[in-house]
Amino acid sequence: SQTIHQWPATLVQPVGSPLSLECTVEGTSNPNLYWYRQAAGRGLQLLFYSVGIGQISSEVPQNLSASRPQDRQFILSSKKLLLSDSGFYLCAWSSGTDLYEQYFGPGTRLTVT
Amino acid sequence: GENVEQHPSTLSVQEGDSAVIKCTYSDSASNYFPWYKQELGKRPQLIIDIRSNVGEKKDQRIAVTLNKTAKHFSLHITETQPEDSAVYFCAATSGTYKYIFGTGTRLKVLA
Repeated sequence: SQTIHQWPATLVQPVGSPLSLECTVEGTSNPNLYWYRQAAGRGLQLLFYSVGIGQISSEVPQNLSASRPQDRQFILSSKKLLLSDSGFYLCAWSSGTDLYEQYFGPGTRLTVT
Repeated sequence: GENVEQHPSTLSVQEGDSAVIKCTYSDSASNYFPWYKQELGKRPQLIIDIRSNVGEKKDQRIAVTLNKTAKHFSLHITETQPEDSAVYFCAATSGTYKYIFGTGTRLKVLA
């Protein structure tokens, strides 16, 4: 069966520091991968998605970037965090053969201080 | 741009009563409509979905209906229980790979 991992689970970072969040998926190949952000008490904002290695689509212009160095690995980065980057970051995957159903990872709760 | 409207934003029901959450979408090409349940501090979990060639789908106490002509779909929970308390999100596909999510409904089931 498929499993999705995210780490770290929680993170507290000062303003201006860099960020790297990692997501990996097991039990499937060539998944579609997604990064979402959820501000406290709010909805789900799609940040990036990827349909293959090295293929990244950006949904919201901001100081974040994403990379997909391996088939089942998706990384979210920032060179300099802002206070507004605080939130719950969720990685999700969908099967390359069934584009529709998306399944979320456990999330990383980021607090920028 | 395309959007999904979700109502109500909060809903309180007595245990055992039914709850209905409604969503309206704008993209006529949307063809898949999932519903997610998110408990406090946890990830959203897919609870039921419906595709555009189906008008209704049921899974035990939950059901989803779709009206493609009117571009709206609804989640129905019957015989609500305290563990149904959570935030529920609807979504609709936008293009081949993406969803647009509704803004969420906080459901509180009162014991």
